[in-house]
Amino acid sequence: ETGVTQTPRHLVMGMTNKKSLKCEQHLGHNAMYWYKQSAKKPLELMFVYSLEERVENNSVPSRFSPECPNSSHLFLHLHTLQPEDSALYLCASSQEYGMDTEAFFGQGTRLTVV
Amino acid sequence: RKEVEQDPGPFNVPEGATVAFNCTYSNSASQSFFWYRQDCRKEPKLLMSVYSSGNEDGRFTAQLNRASQYISLLIRDSKLSDSATYLCVVNTDSWGKLQFGAGTQVVVTP
Repeated sequence: ETGVTQTPRHLVMGMTNKKSLKCEQHLGHNAMYWYKQSAKKPLELMFVYSLEERVENNSVPSRFSPECPNSSHLFLHLHTLQPEDSALYLCASSQEYGMDTEAFFGQGTRLTVV
Repeated sequence: RKEVEQDPGPFNVPEGATVAFNCTYSNSASQSFFWYRQDCRKEPKLLMSVYSSGNEDGRFTAQLNRASQYISLLIRDSKLSDSATYLCVVNTDSWGKLQFGAGTQVVVTP
């Protein structure tokens, strides 16, 4: 069982829909991340939360809205997405942000926007 | 220039053979380096950290060349289960922000 759990594993949504991705970590980590992985491209860091505070937002369109209610949970709220937003969305956690520590990834949500 | 660059491959390797590939990085101040492995349609998982003096973990050897700004991964006695995409990861600033390469695909054949 992975220490980082993401739901749903697969999601198909229309461009006018609103949906949310959920991430939960059971590792006691203080930092959580959202990454986007498109085919043949590097992982793109979207958001970073450290101790429930957003510390980084890499020019992500406002149609993606993160939420971190506590150190164990991270959400990515989606609305009015575009077909080019179809990708694998990975959540990760690490003991601390900005430290030389291992990042643990969830299994990802494969999102298709139609 | 991309911050982290990798040869996408695929590297087709006969079982039992040795394969090696590099990853170049642009930020000379980078301090931390890692290799992650990602199986098809799965999440990335840490394979090994890369230390300045080079390090070995079983059949896997990682090297760092600061002068030429690249890291390498060598896999000896390749197994079918080594087939995966290998992601190079480099920290790119003083906060330890990790930058991922696009990955090198390795396919080990019987």
